[in-house]
Amino acid sequence: DTGVSQDPRHKITKRGQNVTFRCDPISEHNRLYWYRQTLGQGPEFLTYFQNEAQLEKSRLLSDRFSAERPKGSFSTLEIQRTEQGDSAMYLCASSPVGNTEAFFGQGTRLTVV
Amino acid sequence: EDQVTQSPEALRLQEGESSSLNCSYTVSGLRGLFWYRQDPGKGPEFLFTLYSAGEEKEKERLKATLTKKESFLHITAPKPEDSATYLCAVQAPPGGYNKLIFGAGTRLAVHP
Repeated sequence: DTGVSQDPRHKITKRGQNVTFRCDPISEHNRLYWYRQTLGQGPEFLTYFQNEAQLEKSRLLSDRFSAERPKGSFSTLEIQRTEQGDSAMYLCASSPVGNTEAFFGQGTRLTVV
Repeated sequence: EDQVTQSPEALRLQEGESSSLNCSYTVSGLRGLFWYRQDPGKGPEFLFTLYSAGEEKEKERLKATLTKKESFLHITAPKPEDSATYLCAVQAPPGGYNKLIFGAGTRLAVHP
């Protein structure tokens, strides 16, 4: 296992289209996090899962965003009716249960035109 | 409101010129302060976690320290490969251990 894997690495979409990103965490990591990062800013928390349960969702996350982790392994993040303001790097991170650090993936860079 | 502020925004050093990065935080009950390194186009890479005032941790040319209001990342005799953005973050209760509030980062450039 070489780490957290995210797909695709880059996505260009037209405004109003739906997009879906995938994250494969490190094997046996129970916790999975999604963050969003815009240029010149630090990552911003979106949501996190423990196994298949979505335990928290940021109040900044609009109803157009939905995340799933159906079998407690990989996760998907969908954005419906994309807007130009959704352009950002979407980062996934995973960690085992307990007080240990998270490992981040390389991210998916979304550009909405 | 929980907040993390990093300074300076950008720092240019000559190889071998030691310096410090600052992270000021406001949080209701600090549970942990994290330092990450981020290279362009890549995800953050974990460096350190600090839990209580007075705690220090070291890794190669980097040393992180923590007080009740801020943390410092000291870089001793930096090399060009230390060039990156350094991110500071605090845990954001309630929530999982890695639910973090990040600062905007300090972009470090080390020139030979």
